[in-house]
Amino acid sequence: DTGVSQDPRHKITKRGQNVTFRCDPISEHNRLYWYRQTLGQGPEFLTYFQNEAQLEKSRLLSDRFSAERPKGSFSTLEIQRTEQGDSAMYLCASSLFGVWANEKLFFGSGTQLSVL
Amino acid sequence: SQQGEEDPQALSIQEGENATMNCSYKTSINNLQWYRQNSGRGLVHLILIRSNEREKHSGRLRVTLDTSKKSSSLLITASRAADTASYFCATEYPFYGANSKLTFGKGITLSVRP
Repeated sequence: DTGVSQDPRHKITKRGQNVTFRCDPISEHNRLYWYRQTLGQGPEFLTYFQNEAQLEKSRLLSDRFSAERPKGSFSTLEIQRTEQGDSAMYLCASSLFGVWANEKLFFGSGTQLSVL
Repeated sequence: SQQGEEDPQALSIQEGENATMNCSYKTSINNLQWYRQNSGRGLVHLILIRSNEREKHSGRLRVTLDTSKKSSSLLITASRAADTASYFCATEYPFYGANSKLTFGKGITLSVRP
């Protein structure tokens, strides 16, 4: 168990640029989540996968956001045409989804995005 | 939304004292979880309590769950300066089914003074 890893840890970009983040979950976990967190707030759900299937995408997520999890392993989150409001910590988490309920989530250290 | 609400928003105590944090939620749950986050880092799972459990212990942590009041409390005994962090409760929403996912409250900032 090497934990959930996210790359990069920090990303500074100019408004209008595209950015992509990567998350490597714990290998045996079937669920992978993306959350967004701004200062002083709790993690806000963005989207999640069960194996390679994207099961839900938050209504808060605009069409500029897209996520993939090819082959049910690592996942990428892409933000196109970034805006200053996209500045936040992007957290990835994985879990073993049991019988109709989540067990505990294991979080990565996050990617801090700053849009200038 | 099923998002839990933690109370108080901020708590400052002296090292050695106990810290009590509360979480209220709106609809039925399958389980409730508490997480901790140090500044600039990811969240770390502390403890999970299922809807059919009333109390659970893990080291210096004690969690209670009152499903009739839709509330939970997290007690940290004999606090240490290293316990300084943000604490979040998380609940499943919807509470049952293949589409359930964890939603988080806004968190409690705990400061433990040496």
